[in-house]
Formats: sequence, structure tokens, C-alpha cells
Amino acid sequence: EAGVVQSPRYKIIEKKQPVAFWCNPISGHNTLYWYLQNLGQGPELLIRYENEEAVDDSQLPKDRFSAERLKGVDSTLKIQPAELGDSAVYLCASSVQWNTEAFFGQGTRLTVV
Amino acid sequence: AQSVTQLGSHVSVSEGALVLLRCNYSSSVPPYLFWYVQYPNQGLQLLLKYTTGATLVKGINGFEAEFKKSETSFHLTKPSAHMSDAAEYFCAVSELANQGGKLIFGQGTELSVKP
Repeated sequence: EAGVVQSPRYKIIEKKQPVAFWCNPISGHNTLYWYLQNLGQGPELLIRYENEEAVDDSQLPKDRFSAERLKGVDSTLKIQPAELGDSAVYLCASSVQWNTEAFFGQGTRLTVV
Repeated sequence: AQSVTQLGSHVSVSEGALVLLRCNYSSSVPPYLFWYVQYPNQGLQLLLKYTTGATLVKGINGFEAEFKKSETSFHLTKPSAHMSDAAEYFCAVSELANQGGKLIFGQGTELSVKP
């Protein structure tokens, strides 16, 4: 069974440029999460989807961040414009439902210069 | 709001020694508790979880954790450390559905294993 697939694995961009991350969850998983992991810290939830509905986006900085999960499968997280402080690892995870095991992708390491 | 505190950002043990990684949580209701491991440049992998029932939970790679409600703790242990156990370990608590149903992670504990 394929796991959660994220791309790209690494991304280096200049500040003020846009960037997008893609996530393909495990087939049949209704819940999808985007987490932000700063260096030396635990992941922090940015947004949670139940199917195609964003049910918790309270921690998503909506002035520059946006996300979508079309058809309740793949998801894209976008930052526009990127700032130096956005340098971090962006993790995608999925689970069958909200309180079952979450499976994590390998993450996208973003460096903003 | 729920929170998780991991005592010690870095723990070092000798190969074959006991591993003890500490985790305390705050919650006004019975939580779901998890331990995840993260190897360098990898995503998080679930080691074990507590939902209900038996308070001593066994996970993969010989790890186990005990839920102690009176101490609000969920410490992770392994009787004998192996070199391959060197990684970052995260304790997490899951909120109830009416509070969002998300994982709240501790700051992580880096485990080093000396030969």
C-alpha cells in the first residue's frame, strides 16, 4: 500500500515568490492534515480536511497561505508571497477519520532566501 | 486547551540501557495519546497509541508506554536501547471531535544512543 506522497521534497525560493506543495493521501482516507514543523519543534496543525471540507483552518495564516482539496483526494498548500520565516518543513498526513492513526508523508522542506 | 510537555529536549543513553522519554499532558477530558518517531529527513511514524482500555500500551520496535491518569503522564520506555533507536520522538494528544480532532505535539525529544 502506498503511503502519503508529498512533492517536492525540497524547495528553495526567494522571498516574495509564490510556492506550492502537493499531497496525495492514502486511498480511502477521508481526513487530510497539513502541519508546519519548524526546526527543533513539534509539528503544528495548519489545516484539517474532512473529505473536501476544511473543518479546522484556525491556524492557517490566511493572508498568505491557502489550501484546497478538490474532490476530497489530493491537496495543495500554497504560500504567496513567501517570507523568510516560512522556512520550515511542511508535512501532510492522512487518516481514515479524525481520531484514528495519522500517516505522515516525508514532508517538503522549504527554504526561503 | 490541551497541551503536551516533553521533559528533556535531548536524551542520551548507552546501547543496551533503558530508554525513558517523558511526556506529560494537560486535558480536562480523557485524551487519546500517541508517540511518534521521526528519523532524519523522514516523516513521522506511529510507535504506539492509547485510546481506551489497558493503560500499558505496547508498540513497534520494543517500545511501550503507560497512561497514568493521576499523573497526567504517558512516558515512553524501552528496556534495551539499540543504535537504530536514535531519532526524534514526539508525544501527541488528540483533541475530542468537538474541539477540532487534531493532534497537538510536544516539542520533541532527540534520543542519542552511544555504542
